[in-house]
Amino acid sequence: EAGVAQSPRYKIIEKRQSVAFWCNPISGHATLYWYQQILGQGPKLLIQFQNNGVVDDSQLPKDRFSAERLKGVDSTLKIQPAKLEDSAVYLCASSLGLIGSNEQFFGPGTRLTVL
Amino acid sequence: AQSVTQPDIHITVSEGASLELRCNYSYGATPYLFWYVQSPGQGLQLLLKYFSGDTLVQGIKGFEAEFKRSQSSFNLRKPSVHWSDAAEYFCAVGAPGGSYIPTFGRGTSLIVHP
Repeated sequence: EAGVAQSPRYKIIEKRQSVAFWCNPISGHATLYWYQQILGQGPKLLIQFQNNGVVDDSQLPKDRFSAERLKGVDSTLKIQPAKLEDSAVYLCASSLGLIGSNEQFFGPGTRLTVL
Repeated sequence: AQSVTQPDIHITVSEGASLELRCNYSYGATPYLFWYVQSPGQGLQLLLKYFSGDTLVQGIKGFEAEFKRSQSSFNLRKPSVHWSDAAEYFCAVGAPGGSYIPTFGRGTSLIVHP
């Protein structure tokens, strides 16, 4: 079974530039999550999708971050414009569904460096 | 809201020695509890989870954890550490029911000496 795919694996940009990350979840997984992991911290949820609808985006900085999952499969997370404090690893995860006992499977992450 | 504390930023053990990583949580009722491992350059992998029932939980790679309600703890243990266990370990707590969103601790970095 293929795992969660993410690209690119690494990205370096200047502040105020834009950047986009792509995630392809495990086939059949209805729920998709984007996390931000700053160095030395645990992952923090940015947004959760159930199929193509948003379940929770309360911690997404909506003035600069956006995410979509138009066809209920793969997803894109965008930052525009980027700030220095956005330097982090962005993790995508997926699970079969919402209810508690479903395991999350994580992708390898995209490491973003903002200069 | 739930929260997780991992008091140890780094733990160093010798290969073959036993291991215990500490995790304390804050939540009004019995939460869902998880331990994940993250190897360098890789995503998180679930080691084990506790939802209810037996408070001693067995996981993958020889790990186990014990839920202690009285101490609000969910410590991770392994009787004999291998060099390949060197990684970052995250404890997470989730609220039962609803959308299942775990809140992660800051992580404990495990260093294994030969």
